Parts: sequence; structure tokens; C-alpha cells
Amino acid sequence: EAQVTQNPRYLITVTGKKLTVTCSQNMNHEYMSWYRQDPGLGLRQIYYSMNVEVTDKGDVPEGYKVSRKEKRNFPLILESPSPNQTSLYFCASSLLAGADTQYFGPGTRLTVL
Amino acid sequence: GDSVTQMEGPVTLSEEAFLTINCTYTATGYPSLFWYVQYPGEGLQLLLKATKADDKGSNKGFEATYRKETTSFHLEKGSVQVSDSAVYFCALFHGESGAGSYQLTFGKGTKLSVIP
Repeated sequence: EAQVTQNPRYLITVTGKKLTVTCSQNMNHEYMSWYRQDPGLGLRQIYYSMNVEVTDKGDVPEGYKVSRKEKRNFPLILESPSPNQTSLYFCASSLLAGADTQYFGPGTRLTVL
Repeated sequence: GDSVTQMEGPVTLSEEAFLTINCTYTATGYPSLFWYVQYPGEGLQLLLKATKADDKGSNKGFEATYRKETTSFHLEKGSVQVSDSAVYFCALFHGESGAGSYQLTFGKGTKLSVIP
């Protein structure tokens, strides 16, 4: 089954404790990205990756890092999480950047205390 | 920069009512436009899209027409069902060379509740 998977689905952590949210797709997609969803703000893009060689910042990259060492995986890293990073996070992928359909993962609910 | 403005919700309709969710955008050139839908507890999924002016996207009874002259992409459905209850997001993609420009920009979302 073609899908985007994220882990964990739910995470409660404390300020300053490094964490990684994994994202993996099995569709051989080039383009991957991370979003956060907050009430009243909709979805905002954190980082995106055109392919394994190109990664760039989205609208809200502060406090996040990403890595694209292989095509299928695009982990999101929070080196020192803070409470304002409490949010619902979505990973997405598409065959190419542009007008291609984005396929979203099921989301990761992160709470930083 | 690029932006998408959607009508604020929540929107509550009775079953079989007509639905319109307004979406306007700001972008240079000719972006591609999308409607995504998020059902409760799930990720987003593409509902429909249009890639050039005057194109009409359609799916599951929903339609939206890319209007360049009014920079709009309003979502419509003639007769909504309870199963259409979800959050609807308008989005645009505007790709240009240079850093930070291959982004998908979303509106804030409109929550639709359909009651029997």
C-alpha cells in the first residue's frame, strides 16, 4: 500500500530533550516536506526537500532541523524543544515539486511541557 | 509573498444544502491551486486541483474554477452530506528558481459541519 508513515503518532516530552520524528514514504517520491498545524493558523511549512541533494527552509524553520540522506526518509529533529513547538505535525511527499498531489502522513501530536 | 485567504468558519449546513467556501490568493504569475480535505483524526488528502486559469477541478461532487481575473478558487458542492463534515484547506503552489520558492502555501482552513 502506498503511504507516508510517521512515528511516533503521539509524544509528550519536556523542554530541552532532543527528539526526532521519523517520516518514511514508499512511493519513490522526490519531494518531501514537513508542516505544523495550529488552531487558527492552519498549516505552515517547516522544511521541504526537492530531492536527496536539496533541502530548504519553509515559513517556520526556527527550532527545527531536517535530514534527507536517502529518498524515502525525511526525519524532523527538534534539538531543544520548547513549549511553543507543541503542535500537530504532518509529513508529506509528492512525486515532484509543483502541481503534483501531496500525500500526507497521519500526523504526530507533540506536547512539550 | 504568496498568501491564501479562506472564509472563516465554522460553517454549519443541513444535509442537501448548497456549499460555497471562498478562497482568494495573492501570488505573481500563474500558481497551481488546490483544495485539500482533512477528516477528523486524519491527515490531509487532495480533493481537487487546477493548474491554469479557467480550469475547473472536480471530485466527489465538489467543484472549483481557477479565476485569474478575481484571483479566486471557490469550492462548491450542490448538495452536501453528513460525510462531508471535515476541514477544507485551499492551497497554492508557486514554483520559481531561488531558495525558498518551491513551497505549498495553505489557507487557515474552514471547518464544515453537516447536520442531518
